[in-house]
Amino acid sequence: EPEVTQTPSHQVTQMGQEVILRCVPISNHLYFYWYRQILGQKVEFLVSFYNNEISEKSEIFDDQFSVERPDGSNFTLKIRSTKLEDSAMYFCASSEAMVKGSPNSPLHFGNGTRLTVT
Amino acid sequence: LAKTTQPISMDSYEGQEVNITCSHNNIATNDYITWYQQFPSQGPRFIIQGYKTKVTNEVASLFIPADRKSSTLSLPRVSLSDTAVYYCLVGDSGTGRRALTFGSGTRLQVQP
Repeated sequence: EPEVTQTPSHQVTQMGQEVILRCVPISNHLYFYWYRQILGQKVEFLVSFYNNEISEKSEIFDDQFSVERPDGSNFTLKIRSTKLEDSAMYFCASSEAMVKGSPNSPLHFGNGTRLTVT
Repeated sequence: LAKTTQPISMDSYEGQEVNITCSHNNIATNDYITWYQQFPSQGPRFIIQGYKTKVTNEVASLFIPADRKSSTLSLPRVSLSDTAVYYCLVGDSGTGRRALTFGSGTRLQVQP
């Protein structure tokens, strides 16, 4: 079964540094997402991406965050200047095309990147 | 955003049927109900989705009453490996972020 892959599985960085988290979505999927989960808390939506642009973003996704699909297979999340509170699991997800009024195409999640900011 | 309410936690024993109910009083006409499962240190995994009445797959059943203001995920004969957090989400593909918002979920602990 095709799956979403994320690299690295664990990233340690110092406060103020830039990090790039990488994801390879399922190949025929058209919608891409980033979520984060702070230890012990719920899964929080960050951003959705379709047709090379952001579709939706949450309040968490401020100017320090950006996403990119640099080629036909990768989807990246960049944090420009990391803060201690950015420490979390970051999950990438993808889904097939959606048609308004039809069921949500299920999200397929990767196993995440654990980001530790020191 | 549509709000869903679930019990924070539930306990069960191996072999029992577990029913987890989610309340979604302000569900909209076009909204679907989707359930995900999450194991520790893994991403959520799609379980089942429905609009009304009953949906069954190889993993679970989903019961939705006529008013659709709640839904119940039913896991038949749970095993230790069903210990996880279960989330219900409400929305349709036209509602964007609302359909993508996870609540606090229900932490199911299955004991031997």
